[in-house]
Amino acid sequence: DVKVTQSSRYLVKRTGEKVFLECVQDMDHENMFWYRQDPGLGLRLIYFSYDVKMKEKGDIPEGYSVSREKKERFSLILESASTNQTSMYLCASSLWDEAGELFFGEGSRLTVL
Amino acid sequence: KQEVTQIPAALSVPEGENLVLNCSFTDSAIYNLQWFRQDPGKGLTSLLLIQSSQREQTSGRLNASLDKSSGRSTLYIAASQPGDSATYLCAVRLVEEYGNKLVFGAGTILRVKS
Repeated sequence: DVKVTQSSRYLVKRTGEKVFLECVQDMDHENMFWYRQDPGLGLRLIYFSYDVKMKEKGDIPEGYSVSREKKERFSLILESASTNQTSMYLCASSLWDEAGELFFGEGSRLTVL
Repeated sequence: KQEVTQIPAALSVPEGENLVLNCSFTDSAIYNLQWFRQDPGKGLTSLLLIQSSQREQTSGRLNASLDKSSGRSTLYIAASQPGDSATYLCAVRLVEEYGNKLVFGAGTILRVKS
């Protein structure tokens, strides 16, 4: 079974804190993605990575950074959390092939107070 | 700019009914279209993936069709059950650099009443 695992299902942080969201996939996928999902706004792409140490900005990269040191792991970093970053964060992965199927993790619900 | 629309936004049906969810997109330059299911507070579960060269895919009680020229896809659910209650999203994968851009619809919220 394919597996995308997000380390934290629920997090509560304070404004200004540094936040790490971790995502691991066991399918040897080249592509990994971070989305956020908000009511009325749908899913929006923050960053994606198509290889180790490679990253590309998505639609809403401001306030976020990412790290991909190993193929199976893709981390989303909030350098200084703000209340408008309260959201559901979803990690996904797929094969490099543009026809590849996208698989999602269970999501991380972040609340910034 | 690619836009993906899902109709209806919400649907409530009695158990056992066959139903159709619709997804339309404005630009036919896509690699594939994928249907997902999302339960409240959870991630997305992939249901069916249709490549741009395909017309339909089937998995159990689910059947998805794709008409790329008209920019439409439908998800057919046969003999609906209360456990099918969820939000259903479609997404198209754009033909562009890296081939990694997906555009999602807003989803259809389905409730199957027992």
